[in-house]
Amino acid sequence: DGGITQSPKYLFRKEGQNVTLSCEQNLNHDAMYWYRQDPGQGLRLIYYSQIVNDFQKGDIAEGYSVSREKKESFPLTVTSAQKNPTAFYLCASSIIAGHPAQPQHFGDGTRLSIL
Amino acid sequence: QKEVEQNSGPLSVPEGAIASLNCTYSDRGSQSFFWYRQYSGKSPELIMFIYSNGDKEDGRFTAQLNKASQYVSLLIRDSQPSDSATYLCAVNKNSGGYQKVTFGIGTKLQVIP
Repeated sequence: DGGITQSPKYLFRKEGQNVTLSCEQNLNHDAMYWYRQDPGQGLRLIYYSQIVNDFQKGDIAEGYSVSREKKESFPLTVTSAQKNPTAFYLCASSIIAGHPAQPQHFGDGTRLSIL
Repeated sequence: QKEVEQNSGPLSVPEGAIASLNCTYSDRGSQSFFWYRQYSGKSPELIMFIYSNGDKEDGRFTAQLNKASQYVSLLIRDSQPSDSATYLCAVNKNSGGYQKVTFGIGTKLQVIP
């Protein structure tokens, strides 16, 4: 079955530690996205990528980094510079097309907490 | 003004009734509109999308779009307790070659048996 796989489901970060969240898709989608969701807030875009080896900052990129070495994979690193990392992290992907835009499909998410 | 506005709710409806979820957006250049359902602790799931003015029906769900009023809604007929979830409105526009999607905060729907 095609889909988006995020791992781990739960992650705990110690003070000063970098942690990496995995996102893999087998939908052959060109575009991939990382969002952060906090209680009472909508999804906020962290980073996005439309092609391999290229990615762009979203609205809240500070304290995060990404790579896109393969079409299928878009890992997110939460660095120690991100002082408030506790949130639900969602990876999404979509086909790139002209108009109309194609919907994004989401993985199951990773819940990150501070120890 | 927020780019995408939704009433956070909760919106309570009795089982079997019609639930009406509303969303307004600020950018007239917005082109595509999506509704996602998100159960507590889970990721968003695409319910419907609409691109043109008017109504689009899929089973018990109807999406309505009025670009002149910058308003999009989702109707759920014959509401079931399993429809209880948070419904996210998402709006897309082309921004410098990138399809930027902005999400509302979501409306929590409670269907009372």
